[in-house]
Amino acid sequence: QVQLKESGPGLVQPSQTLSLTCTVSGFSLTSYHVSWVRQPPGKGLEWMGVIWTGGSTAYNSLLKSRLSISRDISKSQVFLKMNSLQTEDTATYYCAREDYWGQGVMVTVSS
Amino acid sequence: DIQMTQSPSFLSASVGDRVTINCKASQNINKYLNWYQQKLGEAPKRLIYNTNNLQTGIPSRFSGSGSGTDYTLTISSLQPEDFATYFCLQHNSFRTFGGGTKLELK
Repeated sequence: QVQLKESGPGLVQPSQTLSLTCTVSGFSLTSYHVSWVRQPPGKGLEWMGVIWTGGSTAYNSLLKSRLSISRDISKSQVFLKMNSLQTEDTATYYCAREDYWGQGVMVTVSS
Repeated sequence: DIQMTQSPSFLSASVGDRVTINCKASQNINKYLNWYQQKLGEAPKRLIYNTNNLQTGIPSRFSGSGSGTDYTLTISSLQPEDFATYFCLQHNSFRTFGGGTKLELK
């Protein structure tokens, strides 16, 4: 069945780079695009960016300068890298196919 | 970028009530509008896609409507398991979420 699972560090220091992996199963990354979405504690959802089926990407204009999304089709993985992290980047980060979502990974930015 | 204004932010209702939640886009989104339900500590779950298409397995008390810039989620008769937070998502141009509606028990 369709599954997405995020993995990555739970704690990142300010000014450092966040690296997250989304491992998918039950579908191909060449058939479905995958987005990254984040949610600060107690707040709403923010769309971060997407990797389309052809491998091109699109980003939230507010995050574009700090964000990179890529993939490894052979491993069924999508990657998120975001640099210059600040405390306001503390959030649960989800990867999503829009109809299916991962469980999310909580990332805290703190020294 | 397209902005999505969702209202109300909070809604108090009782079991059996009919409720509506609205999303207004800053420009025409051509019915590319999804609705999600999120319960505390869980990932969002898609209820409706492309304005009025019910996701498989979602009860028929949920329905969606709208066009152009204005869209509505309707729950015809609230059940205890429906008390949650609801979000809209436009996917006409990139993606933008609405701010959310927390539906609480009156």
